[in-house]
Amino acid sequence: DAGVIQSPRHEVTEMGQEVTLRCKPISGHNSLFWYRQTMMRGLELLIYFNNNVPIDDSGMPEDRFSAKMPNASFSTLKIQPSEPRDSAVYFCASNDSPGGPSTDTQYFGPGTRLTVL
Amino acid sequence: AQKITQTQPGMFVQEKEAVTLDCTYDTSDPSYGLFWYKQPSSGEMIFLIYQGSYDQQNATEGRYSLNFQKARKSANLVISASQLGDSAMYFCAMRERGNRDDKIIFGKGTRLHILP
Repeated sequence: DAGVIQSPRHEVTEMGQEVTLRCKPISGHNSLFWYRQTMMRGLELLIYFNNNVPIDDSGMPEDRFSAKMPNASFSTLKIQPSEPRDSAVYFCASNDSPGGPSTDTQYFGPGTRLTVL
Repeated sequence: AQKITQTQPGMFVQEKEAVTLDCTYDTSDPSYGLFWYKQPSSGEMIFLIYQGSYDQQNATEGRYSLNFQKARKSANLVISASQLGDSAMYFCAMRERGNRDDKIIFGKGTRLHILP
């Protein structure tokens, strides 16, 4: 059974360019999360969706960041324009709908390492 | 106030010894879940173990066990017979179920080094 899939695994871009990160959650999972991890700030939740609807985007740093989930099997996180301080590892995670212990656990994708020069 | 506290930023342990990684949490929600994740140097976040607040017994998964002390709000991870491959960053996390929120709150992590 495939886990959470993210692409690309690595992205190097120049300041000002648009960056799009992609995520495919585990089939059947209803919630999807985007995180950013840096040495300075640790793991930060950016936004999460439930049944394709954005529930909490309070962690999105600024208007340059946007996320979409057009269907249950795909989500994107876009940064436009990118800046060097956006350099980080971006994780996508998914879990089943809340309701019990077996559905609490979030499973993470391998991450996308973004470098903005 | 921090909801998840991991007081050990780093630990060095001899191979084959048992390891205890500390985690305390803060919540007024009677229903919650506690997690531990492992992040090796390769970067992926690996789910290790889960404990529900109403679970009567401590969770165990192979060499991992969670020492759940509800009254102390403590959820320490115990790794028995440590191996070199256990060297990694370990995160404790919590989900509060009462607010019907899917979010998990992570601690800042403990970096574990296993010495040969």
